[in-house]
Parts: sequence; C-alpha cells; structure tokens
Amino acid sequence: DAGVTQSPTHLIKTRGQQVTLRCSPKSGHDTVSWYQQALGQGPQFIFQYYEEEERQRGNFPDRFSGHQFPNYSSELNVNALLLGDSALYLCASSKWWLAEHNEQFFGPGTRLTVL
Amino acid sequence: SQKIEQNSEALNIQEGKTATLTCNYTNYSPAYLQWYRQDPGRGPVFLLLIRENEKEKRKERLKVTFDTTLKQSLFHITASQPADSATYLCAPVHLTGRRALTFGSGTRLQVQP
Repeated sequence: DAGVTQSPTHLIKTRGQQVTLRCSPKSGHDTVSWYQQALGQGPQFIFQYYEEEERQRGNFPDRFSGHQFPNYSSELNVNALLLGDSALYLCASSKWWLAEHNEQFFGPGTRLTVL
Repeated sequence: SQKIEQNSEALNIQEGKTATLTCNYTNYSPAYLQWYRQDPGRGPVFLLLIRENEKEKRKERLKVTFDTTLKQSLFHITASQPADSATYLCAPVHLTGRRALTFGSGTRLQVQP
C-alpha cells in the first residue's frame, strides 16, 4: 500500500516563473492538505481540498492555488515565484469524516529552490 | 494572535535518559493536540494524539501530558536511543478548524550514544 507520494522531489526555478507540484494521497484517503515548510520552521498550512473544492485556506496570497482531481490527487500551483517561496512543500492526506481526531499522513515533500 | 511555542534550541541528552519536550500555546482552546516526528528532508510522521479531557497518554516509550490550565503539553521519551534523534512537532487543534493543522516550529532532539 503506497503512502502519500509527491513529485518532483526537487525543483529549481527563477523568480517570476510558475511551478506545479503534484501529490497522490494514501489509498483510501479523500482529503489533501498542502503545507509550506521553511528551513528551521514548522509546516505552515496553505490550503486543503475535499471533493475537488478548497475547504480551508491559510494565510497565503492568491499566487498559491490548487486543484483536486476526481481520483483525489492534487496539484499546488505557485505563480510569480519569489525568493521567499523557497521551501519544502508538503502534502498530507486524511479521511475527511475522521479528520477531527485522525492523523495526517505526510508525503516526503518537494524541495523548491527559487533563484 | 494564536501562538505555539516549542524550544527552538536543540535538546541534547545521553542515551538511556528521558527526553522531555515542551509545547506551550496561547490564545488557543484546542480540543486535542497531536505530536509528530520529522527526520531531515522527510515529511512529519504522526506519533500521538491527546484530547483535552485526557491528562496523560502513553505509547510504548512515549508519554504525552496535556494541561489545559497551563496551556501546555509535555512530550516524554523514556530510555532514549540515538534512533530517537529527530525534530518533534506539536500541533494543537481546534474543533472548528479541525481539518487543518497549525504546527509549532519544533524541537530538535539529539540523543548521544
């Protein structure tokens, strides 16, 4: 049983470019959340998708957008990249109706470097 | 504003000793609190959850306490091993915002052999 998978593993972009990160949730999970983790910090919540809709959003600008597909996989898009967007981007999956006490399963992350 | 504080300095202990990590929160009334372990370059891994009406929870060598009066959770690892070396993150969770996690910055634990 595959856990949460993310692609690519590493990515290098330049300022102003756009990037798309991908996530496949753990089998049986229907909810995907995205987090940004800067070096030495805890993960910061970006947004969460369930039933192909954004359900919650953290304090991130509109440059950050996402999508969830019918197979529950998800994409995170970041436009007009800034140097400060360099971070580890984590995807986490869970079951929506168990989420109030169920753990989040995290993927290995995508390391984004913006030059 | 809501704040979660964990010791930013690394905790260094000898193998076999008990490690105690602290998570303090302000302007929060969490219904429960989760603890995660994160190894370098990897995603966090869930360890334990404790509810607001539970004072203490144990899992093998791990013990978590939750004091809603002090607004604090303590995370203990007994008989620590070098393999326990990692960063430990706490995440207090509201009922209303229960589907999103807000993490502390984590405490790095280093267990010396």
